[in-house]
Amino acid sequence: DAKTTQPPSMDCAEGRAANLPCNHSTISGNEYVYWYRQIHSQGPQYIIHGLKNNETNEMASLIITEDRKSSTLILPHATLRDTAVYYCIVPFNAGGTSYGKLTFGQGTILTVHP
Amino acid sequence: DTAVSQTPKYLVTQMGNDKSIKCEQNLGHDTMYWYKQDSKKFLKIMFSYNNKELIINETVPNRFSPKSPDKAHLNLHINSLELGDSAVYFCASSSWGGGDTDTQYFGPGTRLTVL
Repeated sequence: DAKTTQPPSMDCAEGRAANLPCNHSTISGNEYVYWYRQIHSQGPQYIIHGLKNNETNEMASLIITEDRKSSTLILPHATLRDTAVYYCIVPFNAGGTSYGKLTFGQGTILTVHP
Repeated sequence: DTAVSQTPKYLVTQMGNDKSIKCEQNLGHDTMYWYKQDSKKFLKIMFSYNNKELIINETVPNRFSPKSPDKAHLNLHINSLELGDSAVYFCASSSWGGGDTDTQYFGPGTRLTVL
């Protein structure tokens, strides 16, 4: 997998936007950026993914820089339930597929406080 | 409806025993996975099956044997359990192909404790 670098922890006030950065400077042209999160004692949860364009869904927005070397996950109005470990993953793409091999790093511990 | 379910949720056993963890998904996916999360919280893939065919087999002791009776089920059997096998095991599923393969849906986990 393309190596990703994330800050180990971040804080956010409830109701404010949480902006989680990720560096992936070695990303290849056909590799996607995925975001997952893991709330305490639960299984990881898919959030969003993108290739080069910005993406938005009901959970979050993903902003990818033009050179694709970094991205930012945005939770527009963070709630206490968004407290979790957030993982930025760039699955290695071999011939059009990663074969589903996700490599989870240490992620960013996001703490949303009242 | 639970999309990806695992049983049991907790499993406490003695060293040397053989145990199984079951996983079922009702999402209609054709690919299923097993991940292990150790005490340091690192999450690592162990196996994946696509249409009952083994696709990924990471460096896992051969005491671990996955079995996929059909596309909706992937069970994990562990022989001769060791202390180091204590971890949380997560099952996941996805569709196969393009970006769908990496959009995985995880179960709630099975916490295995070996005494």
